[in-house]
Formats: sequence, structure tokens, C-alpha cells
Amino acid sequence: QKEVEQNSGPLSVPEGAIASLNCTYSDRVSQSFFWYRQYSGKSPELIMSIYSNGDKEDGRFTAQLNKASQYVSLLIRDSQPSDSATYLCAVFNDYKLSFGAGTTVTVRA
Amino acid sequence: IAGITQAPTSQILAAGRRMTLRCTQDMRHNAMYWYRQDLGLGLRLIHYSNTAGTTGKGEVPDGYSVSRANTDDFPLTLASAVPSQTSVYFCASSPGTGDTGELFFGEGSRLTVL
Repeated sequence: QKEVEQNSGPLSVPEGAIASLNCTYSDRVSQSFFWYRQYSGKSPELIMSIYSNGDKEDGRFTAQLNKASQYVSLLIRDSQPSDSATYLCAVFNDYKLSFGAGTTVTVRA
Repeated sequence: IAGITQAPTSQILAAGRRMTLRCTQDMRHNAMYWYRQDLGLGLRLIHYSNTAGTTGKGEVPDGYSVSRANTDDFPLTLASAVPSQTSVYFCASSPGTGDTGELFFGEGSRLTVL
């Protein structure tokens, strides 16, 4: 089992809709969780971090964490064509950041 | 402009050759990392360094070596390249001493081993 698993894509949503991305992790003691965005041909960039159970909102992005279920999600509200990218879920544990394979999102204008 | 500089941007290399990918950061971050990214496999950690003078092995360290002589530089060396090392390599850094998952990435080095 991979340490971090993301729902398979690609995910295609119409402009203005909500994009929902899911991620599960295997190590129950993990304490911090991140979402990175990677545009095609570019490097990953951090967009959200979450450390406690519940929701964390930043603009159109909401990260959700449920440690009991070992589940992290990212919601993108009012999706824009500029949100078209691959989203990487990452879990930090034991001084190392482990990534999922990523979910590619395409926002249709 | 502050950030991470990787070189070369792209390289084609014959199998068996030695190659060093360079990484320099000017943010005075203590922790640095090397990842490789392959289609369908995501980013996988090769080696890391929490502070100058120390290094550690990541998930896929075989065939790679690193050194951390100072804070700014973290070169990755392939002693004898093989085709399976064809990948995009990302160097990253973070503040603190490896106790955060908030990483800053370089632009990547695309390596093709023939």
C-alpha cells in the first residue's frame, strides 16, 4: 500500500463548479498535511496546509482533515480555467514529505 | 530573485556516465531535498539534508549520492547513470531543520539516460 493515495483522475469540471479532491494516508501518526499545485511543465507550489481535524479555508480553497479516517480533501469553489493543474496531496512524517501521485483537474470554460 | 536554482535544465546522458545535478538556494533554508518525478508515480524522495553537514536517505536512494558542504548547495550525483534514472529531478528546500512539510521547489532538471 502506498503511503499516500489520491483519487484517480483526471477530473473535469465546468467553470464555476466545485472540484473535490480526495486523499488517504497510511501512517496513523502523521501530523501535518499539505496540498501542492503543479501546472504542466512547472514545479510544485504549496497552496494549503492543515494540521488539525476540521476545515481550513483560504480564498476559494478549503482543506478538510479527518485523522480518525486518515483522510484529507481539497475543495476548489467557483473553479476557474486557471485552476487547471495537477494537485498533489502530501503528508509530513518523520522529517520527510511523502506525496501522492496527483490528480489532474481540468476546468472547462 | 530569491529562490532555488537548478542546473542543468535538461540533459541527455549516455548510460554509464557520471552526472551531477546542481542545486543552489539563497533563502538560507536549513533543510534541502531531492525528489524525482515519474508519470503515475508522483514525487519520490531520493535524499535529504536537514542541515549542512548531514544527509539522509529517502525512498529511492540507490544509484544516487549527495553532499551538503554548506547551507546553500546540495548537489545530486549519479555515479553511473542507467536508463531507469530517466526522470525529472526537483530540488527543494524548507525553513527550520526538516520539521515542516512546507517546501519550496526549484524549476526541475529533466534527465534522459540512453
